[in-house]
Amino acid sequence: GAVVSQHPSWVICKSGTSVKIECRSLDFQATTMFWYRQFPKQSLMLMATSNEGSKATYEQGVEKDKFLINHASLTLSTLTVTSAHPEDSSFYICSAIPQAGTTYEQYFGPGTRLTVT
Amino acid sequence: AQSVTQLGSHVSVSEGALVLLRCNYSSSVPPYLFWYVQYPNQGLQLLLKYTSAATLVKGINGFEAEFKKSETSFHLTKPSAHMSDAAEYFCAVSVHDYKLSFGAGTTVTVRA
Repeated sequence: GAVVSQHPSWVICKSGTSVKIECRSLDFQATTMFWYRQFPKQSLMLMATSNEGSKATYEQGVEKDKFLINHASLTLSTLTVTSAHPEDSSFYICSAIPQAGTTYEQYFGPGTRLTVT
Repeated sequence: AQSVTQLGSHVSVSEGALVLLRCNYSSSVPPYLFWYVQYPNQGLQLLLKYTSAATLVKGINGFEAEFKKSETSFHLTKPSAHMSDAAEYFCAVSVHDYKLSFGAGTTVTVRA
């Protein structure tokens, strides 16, 4: 149980275009999902907290107009990188907390590798 | 704000030897502590977690960690390394808002 999927697993896009990444909780409902960014050989940095039915909360330094987050249902959150540039190339990982969770455990997706050319 | 420090960015061990990964935390309130493993180009897998129950926590794949409040530490150990343990390991801390703060990570290589 507690499986989180991401789609696509990898994507290449041209500079200036937008790309959408989906994060789904497959066997549980999640009122809260998180989006992380990981550069090569580095740790995960929290970008934003996504709450179902409300606006996402962004961490300091993250451009909310560039990284659009939508959490339209209890099983789906999307991250759209708008007007992507090569510096946005990174590994994006989402995580989800079960609606009935009590142990503060997050379940992570497999990640999406974004390359902007 | 809470944070973790992982001592040693790279640990190399022989197969069958003890694996010891160090993690120290900083938190103004009782923390929840986690160890995750990440294989190349994959997401994170939870090894074990401390959530204010037993201070010695046993996880998957033979790993365990001990919460020591006096030392603000949560070191990860495995008595006998296996080749499949080669990966990146992250220590993380959370308080009551579910947000995770990760350490910088430790790369483990296992020598045959």
